Amino acid sequence: GQNIDQPTEMTATEGAIVQINCTYQTSGFNGLFWYQQHAGEAPTFLSYNVLDGLEEKGRFSSFLSRSKGYSYLLLKELQMKDSASYLCAVRGFTGGGNKLTFGTGTQLKVEL
Amino acid sequence: DAGVIQSPRHEVTEMGQEVTLRCKPISGHNSLFWYRQTMMRGLELLIYFNNNVPIDDSGMPEDRFSAKMPNASFSTLKIQPSEPRDSAVYFCASSFGADEQFFGPGTRLTVL
Repeated sequence: GQNIDQPTEMTATEGAIVQINCTYQTSGFNGLFWYQQHAGEAPTFLSYNVLDGLEEKGRFSSFLSRSKGYSYLLLKELQMKDSASYLCAVRGFTGGGNKLTFGTGTQLKVEL
Repeated sequence: DAGVIQSPRHEVTEMGQEVTLRCKPISGHNSLFWYRQTMMRGLELLIYFNNNVPIDDSGMPEDRFSAKMPNASFSTLKIQPSEPRDSAVYFCASSFGADEQFFGPGTRLTVL
């Protein structure tokens, strides 16, 4: 099975940098995804890591360490519109190899 | 381009009634996923199809839930009979192979 842990809530200031951590335990690892979900809306894809290291995409970066079962999402130059829930999801090899298990999400609040 | 389409967007029904949720995946995508999201349990995978064939239905709560995908452009999730604890937001998502999943807007189901 898979177990995913991420903080429930975080608060940060507009213009600042915030790091959202995700730790996971899985019997087989085949990639980690980050999704953003605004209140009342669907999750939208942010990033994907399958190899160790940092993936950068504009203001958002995601890091993975497979040996530590650890990932983080880094948001730079925070904007008010970044207030949302951030979901970490792990893909294993069970269930046909395309099954995602989601964490419960980190609710980020960006303040002035 | 049209994204994943779900209908209805909102459904209010009484306990014991049959509920059918519908999904049209993105054209060209060959994997389709049904998720349920609640405050208590987060985002859970119910079932997913690959090339119209159910691959993993281990998340389907019980026999009251069933899903079909008669062709590449249509899927249904049926609950019969519905119960108040089925109240949740049901998302459909699609992907091309192991690429990122694109989520539909969701169906907010309330069972009275």
